[in-house]
Amino acid sequence: QLQLQESGPGLVKPSETLSLTCTVSGGSISSSSYYWGWIRQPPGKGLEWIGSIYYSGSTYYNPSLKSRVTISVDTSKNQFSLKLSSVTAADTAVYYCAKIMATIERWFDPWGQGTLVTVSS
Amino acid sequence: IQLTQSPSSLSASVGDRVTITCRASQGISSYLAWYQQKPGKAPKLLIYAASTLQSGVPSRFSGSGSGTDFTLTISSLQPEDFATYYCQQLNSYMYTFGQGTKLEIK
Repeated sequence: QLQLQESGPGLVKPSETLSLTCTVSGGSISSSSYYWGWIRQPPGKGLEWIGSIYYSGSTYYNPSLKSRVTISVDTSKNQFSLKLSSVTAADTAVYYCAKIMATIERWFDPWGQGTLVTVSS
Repeated sequence: IQLTQSPSSLSASVGDRVTITCRASQGISSYLAWYQQKPGKAPKLLIYAASTLQSGVPSRFSGSGSGTDFTLTISSLQPEDFATYYCQQLNSYMYTFGQGTKLEIK
């Protein structure tokens, strides 16, 4: 079955750029049936959608993060990536990637296991 | 669109029937999903399209509602159901989550 796995540095310095990659296995990222998304969860807090991408490259971002976020897709590697610039301690969180059904009622399933990114000098 | 879950926390016993409510700040038709999250784990999809049970999810979980008011019901709590539950909606390619409901053992 389709699985997702996040990867990237666990520690990022303030003002630098956070970069994560999500590798999709067991299915094609180029399927027209799915979008792909990033969600984060600060320690002890709730879930926040960061943004989503379609295999064609169309992107959708949370307005609260839009100025700092870039999501891209690499269909040759079956991966999609997140870049978040000018990070602060408030960006410390577990970052999840997930598949989104491209139906009218969209939902996130499955999710990657998540990766903790700490912003600290 | 904002989603408000109630209650924020809930204590219940094994075998109890539990209902969690999610209210949207404007109508979202049936574009609502429910997730269960256990400590240190990724969220797990339970219900999508407001009332459709995800494959493999026990039938004691059910969802209902449309428009602005939605509910997640667990008909008979099992020990493995103690977790945090989130609702999620889509509107104009933007997704939001409720603040979560923590279900604890009484």
